[in-house]
Amino acid sequence: GDSVTQMEGPVTLSEEAFLTINCTYTATGYPSLFWYVQYPGEGLQLLLKATKADDKGSNKGFEATYRKETTSFHLEKGSVQVSDSAVYFCALHHNAGNMLTFGGGTRLMVKP
Amino acid sequence: EPEVTQTPSHQVTQMGQEVILRCVPISNHLYFYWYRQILGQKVEFLVSFYNNEISEKSEIFDDQFSVERPDGSNFTLKIRSTKLEDSAMYFCASSEDSVEKLFFGSGTQLSVL
Repeated sequence: GDSVTQMEGPVTLSEEAFLTINCTYTATGYPSLFWYVQYPGEGLQLLLKATKADDKGSNKGFEATYRKETTSFHLEKGSVQVSDSAVYFCALHHNAGNMLTFGGGTRLMVKP
Repeated sequence: EPEVTQTPSHQVTQMGQEVILRCVPISNHLYFYWYRQILGQKVEFLVSFYNNEISEKSEIFDDQFSVERPDGSNFTLKIRSTKLEDSAMYFCASSEDSVEKLFFGSGTQLSVL
């Protein structure tokens, strides 16, 4: 079945550092791919998405490119802020179903 | 901005007891979901609900689980006889028209003792 694998956290960075959180997936066909973010005390929020190969999703300075050849959707940001401290979840949606398949989440801690 | 509201934020119960987790989805949304995350594990899909019936459910969602939309605003998850392994964070989510844009609540942490 479908699955999503994320790098384990926590990831600890200093403010203005470059961020990469790795995400790879296993699925047949061409799923849609997502990054969700959960800030402390809040629910998961959609951060960005890409629906086909080579698409780049972007939002709030974060980017991720749908790489079919490597089955990856790595999250990047050029300069993180303390306010980016949160848990980040990679997920996929297979057109055949009505559910998202999530990875385990990666906690990001940004220090001033 | 409208949000999905879940109550309670924490629930402690004894093994074998029934629990009801409550959610108020965003008012104009038509699709409703429950997910859960056991500590240290992945977020797992439990069930989706549309037009007053279950549209899809996972293997986790066995006969001990049920969902209901009792009054047009609330969406509840009932666990009839809780087990230790039901301890998890339970997330409710809703969407207007597509699973590709879900709005999640902040979760209910269920602890079964």
